[in-house]
Amino acid sequence: EAQVTQNPRYLITVTGKKLTVTCSQNMNHEYMSWYRQDPGLGLRQIYYSMNVEVTDKGDVPEGYKVSRKEKRNFPLILESPSPNQTSLYFCASSWGPEQFFGPGTRLTVL
Amino acid sequence: SQKIEQNSEALNIQEGKTATLTCNYTNYSPAYLQWYRQDPGRGPVFLLLIRENEKEKRKERLKVTFDTTLKQSLFHITASQPADSATYLCALSYNNNDMRFGAGTRLTVKP
Repeated sequence: EAQVTQNPRYLITVTGKKLTVTCSQNMNHEYMSWYRQDPGLGLRQIYYSMNVEVTDKGDVPEGYKVSRKEKRNFPLILESPSPNQTSLYFCASSWGPEQFFGPGTRLTVL
Repeated sequence: SQKIEQNSEALNIQEGKTATLTCNYTNYSPAYLQWYRQDPGRGPVFLLLIRENEKEKRKERLKVTFDTTLKQSLFHITASQPADSATYLCALSYNNNDMRFGAGTRLTVKP
């Protein structure tokens, strides 16, 4: 089944404790991206990647890192999480304008 | 700055009626406009894409219009059903890199 998977689905952590949210797709898509979704603000792009080893900032990259060492994986790294990064995070992949989204990761930073 | 507005945060309609959702944008000239459906606790799911040189697109009970002069898209669901209840997002882009989403309209279809 074609899909985008994310792990973990839910995470509660404390300020400053490094964490990684994994994202994997099995559709051989070149393009992958990360979004955060907050009430009233819609989906905002954090980082995107056009292909392996090619990443770039989206609209809200501060406090986040990404890497793209393999085509199928695009992890999101929070080196020192803060409470304002509490949000719902989505990974997406595509080969054209239509994007395929993962199920989401709900992150709470205390 | 670029702005995308979905003018109703919530829309309630009766089963069988046509739901019409609006997406307006400013300071933007998108090549594509898309509509996604999002159910609670789930990721958005692609529904329809319309290009800047297209006026209308249909898929089963769904219809999208795109007016680049008014900078507006209308999304219609005809013969609506309770199963259509969800949040609907519009998204604009030149390409994959710069996709911008509206905040969404929560549609409730009552039996």
